[in-house]
Amino acid sequence: DTAVSQTPKYLVTQMGNDKSIKCEQNLGHDTMYWYKQDSKKFLKIMFSYNNKELIINETVPNRFSPKSPDKAHLNLHINSLELGDSAVYFCASSQATVHNYGYTFGSGTRLTVV
Amino acid sequence: AQSVTQPDIHITVSEGASLELRCNYSYGATPYLFWYVQSPGQGLQLLLKYFSGDTLVQGIKGFEAEFKRSQSSFNLRKPSVHWSDAAEYFCAVGAMEYGNKLVFGAGTILRVKS
Repeated sequence: DTAVSQTPKYLVTQMGNDKSIKCEQNLGHDTMYWYKQDSKKFLKIMFSYNNKELIINETVPNRFSPKSPDKAHLNLHINSLELGDSAVYFCASSQATVHNYGYTFGSGTRLTVV
Repeated sequence: AQSVTQPDIHITVSEGASLELRCNYSYGATPYLFWYVQSPGQGLQLLLKYFSGDTLVQGIKGFEAEFKRSQSSFNLRKPSVHWSDAAEYFCAVGAMEYGNKLVFGAGTILRVKS
């Protein structure tokens, strides 16, 4: 029943490793997003995809690569993890019509790099 | 570019007292405005949204917000706070022409004392 689901919920890994976070939505939305929430709880958009096409790519290191195999999935792969990547990563989805505009968020993935 | 300011980092209210959380936005056109709530360790839940029309919008959990164009504000209110309202509240402004991007404020932490 979960509308936007992310896995894993927690991820602890060492510097230099490569890791992926998966996101799936069953709402039929056509746009998906990745947001990063830092230690001060500030939320900043990283990427958005509309029907598998990259729409927004904010100033994010190219160690971060999103992949959208279909419009219901948006995964985030991170290479060569650094301490500063530690944060909570939220996936979200939305429908791009005025009255449905507004995101549905997943419950987040807490990434800790040690 | 869009931006959101939430001037209060922390607010403490007594249970049963009224609440107002402030939000000011910057955006050149008619904004889409949102309030989200985040409980500890959880994702973000949409409380209410404003697109157009009536400037007083009702949301879930007894919350309401008023859009004031002249003040570029969208303040969140609740007449009587319950202990379960303790959480962090985020105001956001959206622009469909920018890939449905939502820009969030830094959040306001609400503490409720009994």
